[in-house]
Amino acid sequence: RKEVEQDPGPFNVPEGATVAFNCTYSNSASQSFFWYRQDCRKEPKLLMSVYSSGNEDGRFTAQLNRASQYISLLIRDSKLSDSATYLCVVNTGGGNKLTFGTGTQLKVEL
Amino acid sequence: SAVISQKPSRDICQRGTSLTIQCQVDSQVTMMFWYRQQPGQSLTLIATANQGSEATYESGFVIDKFPISRPNLTFSTLTVSNMSPEDSSIYLCSVPQGYNEQFFGPGTRLTVL
Repeated sequence: RKEVEQDPGPFNVPEGATVAFNCTYSNSASQSFFWYRQDCRKEPKLLMSVYSSGNEDGRFTAQLNRASQYISLLIRDSKLSDSATYLCVVNTGGGNKLTFGTGTQLKVEL
Repeated sequence: SAVISQKPSRDICQRGTSLTIQCQVDSQVTMMFWYRQQPGQSLTLIATANQGSEATYESGFVIDKFPISRPNLTFSTLTVSNMSPEDSSIYLCSVPQGYNEQFFGPGTRLTVL
């Protein structure tokens, strides 16, 4: 089983739609959780950290369920500029070691 | 956020040769990380570059294939040795940012023929 699993997509949605991505992780000792965004042929960039209480940043909402080892990202009112690959990232071993999921590709269309 | 530059940004190399990738940060950082992203895949950590000591390699990666230097707190190099087409990837360096987050350089796109 992969340490971090995501549905690869692609998710093709119309502009203005709400879309949700899910991610599961295998190591119950994982401590920190993130969503990164990666545009085509670019480096990953931090979108948001994920906290146990859930957190929201504008149109983006991230949630963590430690009992189920599950992380989610909700994007409301999708924009064309949201088209990218969204990477679920987990700090699995303490320190600064990050484990990346394979990413979920989002395509927002007119 | 830190400003990270990588050189070269891309290269095309012949099999059997070696390429050294440079990563420069505009501020001092205790750790620097080297990742590989193979075509269509996600990022895999190669090693952690420590200043003043040997790099710490992840399972599946060895020093002979990926020697790393870390001469000071703002600079590191990764060498991809005796390259084969399977080494064609994007190689990225990163530095810690915030609480357990990492900030990535622009990457080096390597194609091995």
